[in-house]
Amino acid sequence: AQTVTQSQPEMSVQEAETVTLSCTYDTSESNYYLFWYKQPPSRQMILVIRQEAYKQQNATENRFSVNFQKAAKSFSLKISDSQLGDTAMYFCAFMKYAGGGNKLTFGTGTQLKVEL
Amino acid sequence: DAGVTQSPTHLIKTRGQQVTLRCSPISGHKSVSWYQQVLGQGPQFIFQYYEKEERGRGNFPDRFSARQFPNYSSELNVNALLLGDSALYLCASSLGLLDTGELFFGEGSRLTVL
Repeated sequence: AQTVTQSQPEMSVQEAETVTLSCTYDTSESNYYLFWYKQPPSRQMILVIRQEAYKQQNATENRFSVNFQKAAKSFSLKISDSQLGDTAMYFCAFMKYAGGGNKLTFGTGTQLKVEL
Repeated sequence: DAGVTQSPTHLIKTRGQQVTLRCSPISGHKSVSWYQQVLGQGPQFIFQYYEKEERGRGNFPDRFSARQFPNYSSELNVNALLLGDSALYLCASSLGLLDTGELFFGEGSRLTVL
């Protein structure tokens, strides 16, 4: 079974600054996907960024980038130029590459608050 | 295009009752998954359905059941409700069985059990 751990329940950052959210995971799988999802107060879970474990290059999506350390089983999210709209709960999630289905295993989340 | 729609958005039940939650996936999506999100926790996988067949089940009791219809919409049923079933129930749809994480979530159904 896979586990995902987010050790920062809450974080805050000033607008326009950079913040990094941490995530570690445990798995015996060699091929898998990792994700960061954002859940604003509207409750709808939105995909922020995705990383394939077989790719060494870290994924980037505009202001969002990850630091993927496969050996350390670490997957952190960096948000640059933080905006008020980034305020949300952020979840790290894991998916096996094969084995049927697209089940996501989520961490407990990090509540990010962007302040003026 | 409409996203994933769920109904009802909020509901209150008492212990022992039964509840049915509904989900309509994005047009063209054939897979629907259900997740339970207890307050302060990450979502927990309950079921995945693809082409009307169950393709995955999480660690939930038999009181939880689901089905998928020919139009790919889905229902989640929970019988004999317990206080611990109070949660946000999320539905997610995807094109196929394995879409490398391209799950599109609805806004959820908030269930309160008294």
